[in-house]
Amino acid sequence: EAGVTQSPTHLIKTRGQQATLRCSPISGHTSVYWYQQALGLGLQFLLWYDEGEERNRGNFPPRFSGRQFPNYSSELNVNALELEDSALYLCASSLREYEQYFGPGTRLTVT
Amino acid sequence: AQSVTQLDSQVPVFEEAPVELRCNYSSSVSVYLFWYVQYPNQGLQLLLKYLSGSTLVESINGFEAEFNKSQTSFHLRKPSVHISDTAEYFCAVSEYPSGGFKTIFGAGTRLFVKA
Repeated sequence: EAGVTQSPTHLIKTRGQQATLRCSPISGHTSVYWYQQALGLGLQFLLWYDEGEERNRGNFPPRFSGRQFPNYSSELNVNALELEDSALYLCASSLREYEQYFGPGTRLTVT
Repeated sequence: AQSVTQLDSQVPVFEEAPVELRCNYSSSVSVYLFWYVQYPNQGLQLLLKYLSGSTLVESINGFEAEFNKSQTSFHLRKPSVHISDTAEYFCAVSEYPSGGFKTIFGAGTRLFVKA
């Protein structure tokens, strides 16, 4: 069974640009979660999508947004990039809310 | 959960020695508890979880954790560590307020096993 996949592996952008990160959940999982793992700050919850709807949101500004497609894959968009957005972005999927399976992450570097 | 605190940012230990990674949380509602492990340049893997029932839970690779409700703790232990256990370990808490689950992670503890 394929795990959670994320693309791209690495992404380099300049300040002010937009970044788009993608996630494909495990087959049969309907929920997708996004986390930001910045150096020294642990994992910060960003967004939770389930059945195509945004269910919960962490304490991030509106320039962090996303969506979930009918096939349950998901996209995270970060607008007006700032240097402090540089981090590893992790996607997780689940069938039950409390059991999440993580992808390998997308390393976003903002210069 | 209001917060999850992992009391040690780094834990160096010799191979075959016992180890305990500490985790405390604060929450006013019922919670589920998890430990995840992250090897270098990889995502997180679920190590073990407490949902209900026995307060002592075990993983397949020898780790165990005990839920202590009165002390709001979920410490991770292993009686004898291996070099391959070197990784970062995250404690996580999922609480269920109205509006759905939200998982909060601790800052992580880096376990470094020395030969």
